[in-house]
Amino acid sequence: QSALTQPPSASGSPGQSVTISCTGTSSDVGGYNYVSWYQQHPGKAPKLMIYEVSQRPSGVPDRFSGSKSGNTASLTVSGLQAEDEADYYCSSYGGNNNIIFGGGTKLTVL
Amino acid sequence: QLQLQESGPGLVKTSETLSLTCTASGGSITSSTYYWGWIRQPPGKGLEWIGSIYWSGSTYYTPSLKSRVTISLDTSKNQFSLKLTSVTAVDTAVYYCAGPDFYGMGVWGQGTTVTVSS
Repeated sequence: QSALTQPPSASGSPGQSVTISCTGTSSDVGGYNYVSWYQQHPGKAPKLMIYEVSQRPSGVPDRFSGSKSGNTASLTVSGLQAEDEADYYCSSYGGNNNIIFGGGTKLTVL
Repeated sequence: QLQLQESGPGLVKTSETLSLTCTASGGSITSSTYYWGWIRQPPGKGLEWIGSIYWSGSTYYTPSLKSRVTISLDTSKNQFSLKLTSVTAVDTAVYYCAGPDFYGMGVWGQGTTVTVSS
């Protein structure tokens, strides 16, 4: 199975909103509501930001939201803050007890 | 709260076996419905799921590594382990352990760097 497709980079100014896409197929993103999003700062471990497409773990600001349409999932960060600058990875259940990650998107806060 | 910590050699010779251990604290690895996984990240690259093990011992591996990977539990030590055989330079990466959910892993270790070199 191929990695999910994410744009290499995204950017926005403080206070703005930015959306990062994650495109798969009907065998992964489109077939299951098991899309997660992770935030990773340089040199740090990934942090779960969204699970099951749109659910936020406790402690994650509600500025982070997730959605899905067809084979594409999206992460939206509203009210951008400097600390949101990081790499973001999507993942999806790929069937047959398999997890697939996206290639990652570097979010820059201008 | 639940915490995970990886341990193991930072340098492995080409063709040998990479062995890492993840120690859990603040919770039991045999708690019902828990999954424990290994994920790696080559230098400057993205995340790759290696595999996961259910609390009962059932294992699931990514197809590309399935022939070389074994994940196991040591319930007496509250640990789970990764073994990757016949390593080459492409296996050089930061290795993370994570859990306790299969689909969205909310707890991660800090990661351990493994370099494969002759």
